[in-house]
Order: sequence, then structure tokens, then C-alpha cells
Amino acid sequence: GAVVSQHPSRVICKSGTSVKIECRSLDFQATTMFWYRQFPKKSLMLMATSNEGSKATYEQGVEKDKFLINHASLTLSTLTVTSAHPEDSSFYICSARDTSYNEQFFGPGTRLTVL
Amino acid sequence: LAKTTQPISMDSYEGQEVNITCSHNNIATNDYITWYQQFPSQGPRFIIQGYKTKVTNEVASLFIPADRKSSTLSLPRVSLSDTAVYYCLVGVEKAGTALIFGKGTTLSVSS
Repeated sequence: GAVVSQHPSRVICKSGTSVKIECRSLDFQATTMFWYRQFPKKSLMLMATSNEGSKATYEQGVEKDKFLINHASLTLSTLTVTSAHPEDSSFYICSARDTSYNEQFFGPGTRLTVL
Repeated sequence: LAKTTQPISMDSYEGQEVNITCSHNNIATNDYITWYQQFPSQGPRFIIQGYKTKVTNEVASLFIPADRKSSTLSLPRVSLSDTAVYYCLVGVEKAGTALIFGKGTTLSVSS
């Protein structure tokens, strides 16, 4: 199946700093990618839909100015957590759909810890 | 999107068959049923998908009754490595549509 990668796999940062997470589709093109957040022992929560070449669509309650999404190419979407605070500590997962497989593939996730 | 209901947790022993049932009473005509597996600190992994009757692949079987209001994921002869969270999702597979996850079922396999 198709592969989606994320970088970094884990990051620790100080409160108030910004962190960028990359999501790449390695062997297919994805016009749409999705970003999820998962807190410990909870399910995945959809944060936003990332569309190549256009603005992202955010779910209700997700601050678009805090979670900046850029989808500049058909294989790369980035999520920037701006002015991170301890409550932003979470597991961030991206996904992309490979239309040739009619499946949605998930990245391995990025563990963000804000001190 | 159809709402799904699954047991919160299940326990099993190695070598047993495990069946996880998901209820989706409001499933629409065009909806597919998809199951994902997630290990701790990893992204979800596709297991199996079906529309009706029975689907089988190398890791699981999916049983869907005629009314499609429920489905059962069957894992044959589980091992310790099958300990994970299993999510049942119902919806239409479209290129721009996100997957919405319910609470999932935490399966614990013991020796």
C-alpha cells in the first residue's frame, strides 16, 4: 500500500515557541490531506482538511490562527502549532487518500510535548 | 455520517478467535464499513472494508448481515501482537472526505 510519512516523530518544545510538523505522501499524490489530534486513551479527532493550493478547512473549535496548515505541493502538507502551550501537547496524525487504492493512509504520528 | 457503537473493551487469550461487533443503525445506502487498527503511538492501519455479506483477507473477516445495521470484525487465532484499538467506521469513500473516528474497542490479548 501507499506510504505516508511524518517528521519529526517526536518533538519537545518550550511554551510560546512554534513547531512545524511535516506530512508527506511518499509514492502517490494527494490533493487532500487530513490532520488529526489524539489525546491519551482517546480517539482521533479531526482538526482540519488540507487542500493543495487552497486554504485548509478547519473543524469547529479548532483555531486556524493557532494551527497553521500549508499544502504547497501534491505530496507535502505542514501543520505549524504557533505559540504552543502545554495543553497543545498531543499526538498529531496526518492522513492522505490514495485514489488508486480507494484507501486512506495514515502517517506514523508526531508526539508533541510542550514544556 | 452514520454513528457507530462498539464495545469499549474486550479481553482474549492467545489462539482464540475474537469477534468485535459494531452497530450502525443509521447506515446509508451508499455507505461502506471499514475497520482500522491502531497500536499505541502509531497511526491507524486499514484492516478490512466491506459493503455487504462477507469479506475476508489475510488478517481478518468482516461479516455484514442483510440489513447492514451491524457488522462483525473477526480476528482468527489472535496473538499478543493483536492487542490494539479497533475502530469501526461507516461512510462513503470519497477523495475529499475525512474519516471520522468513534471511540473504538480496546482489545487486550493475554498469554
